[in-house]
Amino acid sequence: DGGITQSPKYLFRKEGQNVTLSCEQNLNHDAMYWYRQDPGQGLRLIYYSHIVNDFQKGDIAEGYSVSREKKESFPLTVTSAQKNPTAFYLCASMKGQGEGTQYFGPGTRLLVL
Amino acid sequence: KQEVTQIPAALSVPEGENLVLNCSFTDSAIYNLQWFRQDPGKGLTSLLLIQSSQREQTSGRLNASLDKSSGRSTLYIAASQPGDSATYLCAVNEGSQGNLIFGKGTKLSVKP
Repeated sequence: DGGITQSPKYLFRKEGQNVTLSCEQNLNHDAMYWYRQDPGQGLRLIYYSHIVNDFQKGDIAEGYSVSREKKESFPLTVTSAQKNPTAFYLCASMKGQGEGTQYFGPGTRLLVL
Repeated sequence: KQEVTQIPAALSVPEGENLVLNCSFTDSAIYNLQWFRQDPGKGLTSLLLIQSSQREQTSGRLNASLDKSSGRSTLYIAASQPGDSATYLCAVNEGSQGNLIFGKGTKLSVKP
């Protein structure tokens, strides 16, 4: 089955802790994206990557970091600098930048203890 | 800066009704527009993609139209069913970066 997987489904963060959200795709897509969704809000772009070893900041990158060491993987780290991390995080991929449909993973819900 | 607005924020209809969801955007220079469906606590499912050169796209009971010059798109759902209950999100792609700008969505409830 081709698709995008995100893990874990739920993640709990303690004060001052960094946590990493996993995103993996087997669609052979070049472009990958991370979005944040807050209740009653649209999705907002955190980071994106169009090619391995390259990524760009989105609209709300502060307090987050990413890496793109493999085409299939685009993990997101929520650092202690992100003061309001509670949200639903969605990863997406697309065949090529600007081309066609974006496909989304099932999401990770991050909660603060 | 591009802004995407969806009206209404919520809609409740009886089963069998035809309905229209609206999406407007402030900058008409878009690459394409996508409609998504989101069930509670889930990811997004792509419904329809309309390229900037197209006027409409159809999939089953769904029809999406695009009027780029007026900055509007509509999603028409025919013969609604309780299974159509979800939040519907509209997103515009402004250019070759592929980054989507989303509206806040319309929460649809179809009553049996």
